[in-house]
Amino acid sequence: DSGVTQTPKHLITATGQRVTLRCSPRSGDLSVYWYQQSLDQGLQFLIQYYNGEERAKGNILERFSAQQFPDLHSELNLSSLELGDSALYFCASSVGQLSRSPLHFGNGTRLTVT
Amino acid sequence: DQQVKQNSPSLSVQEGRISILNCDYTNSMFDYFLWYKKYPAEGPTFLISISSIKDKNEDGRFTVFLNKSAKHLSLHIVPSQPGDSAVYFCAAVVQTGANNLFFGTGTRLTVIP
Repeated sequence: DSGVTQTPKHLITATGQRVTLRCSPRSGDLSVYWYQQSLDQGLQFLIQYYNGEERAKGNILERFSAQQFPDLHSELNLSSLELGDSALYFCASSVGQLSRSPLHFGNGTRLTVT
Repeated sequence: DQQVKQNSPSLSVQEGRISILNCDYTNSMFDYFLWYKKYPAEGPTFLISISSIKDKNEDGRFTVFLNKSAKHLSLHIVPSQPGDSAVYFCAAVVQTGANNLFFGTGTRLTVIP
């Protein structure tokens, strides 16, 4: 058990809809990362938060947004969903510098857009 | 643009033999490298890492080798066990930069009993 909790595990929705994915980091971890894994693709970095502030952005679409709350949990909001957004979305957390504290991943949310 | 590449989607090895998983990267600024293992229906779990100031790091049955001039690293598993069957991801980071990991596409290792 990595200590990172993601909900829900599975999500099925229709095109054009909006969904929210939730992540609770490991106790004590200040950084939260979101990754997307599409079929046969590696994990694509979306966005990172550190102690409530956005720290880095990757290949995140404008239709997607995220935030980290004072209790350090994070939410990833996906709107105007398209078929191509179907993927596994992983949340990961760390204490800080990745060389001192590797990322710990949750078990992911599988999103299916129909 | 895929900055970290794993060109072998799959690898099959007999139990007890050596498994060698390869990874190439293009960004010379990467200075820290990690390997993650992923079982089905689970998130990736950290396996082993190496700093760019080293060329080898060993942890039990797992050894990672780094060749900076070739921008290549490899993970050796000796001896391979059926429980090692999983997808292995290589990842790299620029520690002074944005501090986010760039992942390869993964190699599925199957260890045959």
